[in-house]
Amino acid sequence: KQEVTQIPAALSVPEGENLVLNCSFTDSAIYNLQWFRQDPGKGLTSLLLIQSSQREQTSGRLNASLDKSSGRSTLYIAASQPGDSATYLCAVRRDNYGQNFVFGPGTRLSVLP
Amino acid sequence: GAVVSQHPSWVICKSGTSVKIECRSLDFQATTMFWYRQFPKQSLMLMATSNEGSKATYEQGVEKDKFLINHASLTLSTLTVTSAHPEDSSFYICSATRMVASSPLHFGNGTRLTVT
Repeated sequence: KQEVTQIPAALSVPEGENLVLNCSFTDSAIYNLQWFRQDPGKGLTSLLLIQSSQREQTSGRLNASLDKSSGRSTLYIAASQPGDSATYLCAVRRDNYGQNFVFGPGTRLSVLP
Repeated sequence: GAVVSQHPSWVICKSGTSVKIECRSLDFQATTMFWYRQFPKQSLMLMATSNEGSKATYEQGVEKDKFLINHASLTLSTLTVTSAHPEDSSFYICSATRMVASSPLHFGNGTRLTVT
């Protein structure tokens, strides 16, 4: 059974710091991994999608890496800003049938001005 | 812009009434849609998976007669909370994807349901 964990559960940093969020999964047989952010009372916004054949994806100040063999992904946020404060979730896509996506519990990030 | 539209964004209803929530994929054909429930400061709890044209698959512990899901077209899925009770008050979120392994998952903005 695929399980996804995220460390840390919560993180508070001063503005301007670079930071790393971690995502681990137990079964390396995945199709892709997606990082999302969720603001309070809102749905999830997709940040980055990494296919299983890729090692990283970048979008602006965000960089996500994937090491399928070790079951790990990291989300790197450069020069953090207060607007980055949100909960960040990772999800792995297992297959085309049934419960395709397994989510981590999320990391709650606070960037202090 | 948003690729999945969820409506309404919030709704207040009285106990015993039914509420319908719509989830639409705006610019792609969603072969699969998912419905989640989220409690405050907790992660998403998958309620059911719905594939276009077939019956939804409900997760263990989710009452299918209470949470009716219809996915009649490739762009629309609906969740109806029947005979709502205050304990059904929650944040409900839908997501949609194509049945292609490389496809991403897109989320709606969620619906805040309050049952009085």
